[in-house]
Amino acid sequence: DIVMTQSPDSLAVSLGERATINCKSSQSILYSSNNNNYLAWYQQKAGQPPKLLISWASTRGIGVPDRFSGSGSGTDFTLTISSLQAEDVALYYCQQYYSPRLTFGGGTKVEIK
Amino acid sequence: QVTLKESGPAVVKPTQTLTLTCTFSGFSLTTRGTRVNWLRQPPGKALEWLARIDWDDNDELYSTSLKSRLTIFKDTSKNQVVLTMTNMDPVDTATYFCAASRQLGPLDYWGQGTLVTVSS
Repeated sequence: DIVMTQSPDSLAVSLGERATINCKSSQSILYSSNNNNYLAWYQQKAGQPPKLLISWASTRGIGVPDRFSGSGSGTDFTLTISSLQAEDVALYYCQQYYSPRLTFGGGTKVEIK
Repeated sequence: QVTLKESGPAVVKPTQTLTLTCTFSGFSLTTRGTRVNWLRQPPGKALEWLARIDWDDNDELYSTSLKSRLTIFKDTSKNQVVLTMTNMDPVDTATYFCAASRQLGPLDYWGQGTLVTVSS
């Protein structure tokens, strides 16, 4: 199985400041035939199911604010929240769907400093 | 509008078999590229993928570590996907989610989840 490693485990950021979460896969999740990275980011607020934020490493989901952006390719990926808002307090997970057996990172807890 | 809803027992005893049902609407599991997955999340821990079933009749896949305990099947006429897990243990206590993906992509839609506690 592909192992997804997220860092940091948690971070505290001031309102309006940038938050950056990293995700590394144990093998490339870039499919060469279509040049797509099979990487998604999810946001999970307390007591709720995960919500798809970003797919294909950098495509925002419907209705996702543009302060959320995804970048990276191959094995190294980043989720950036450009200006943290109070409603962004949540757990964030990366997930690969390159391999049929889906795997997730361990999660990053984002809090307000 | 796509919806998924998990149902099943809130409590099971150790060694019992858990049966969970995902009832969905707003999409068809006969559409090419559509999948329904089961995942779980122990309290305070990360998400774990368990199994999936595809639009294709014979295509199902299981977690490597749990394969011997899981069975997934679908009832297309009822828009339901069922997961059974045998020999339940307290470490299996978790919120169990079903989630759908389309066109072989990410998990677009999620149910609210159902908390299953394993306790005697």
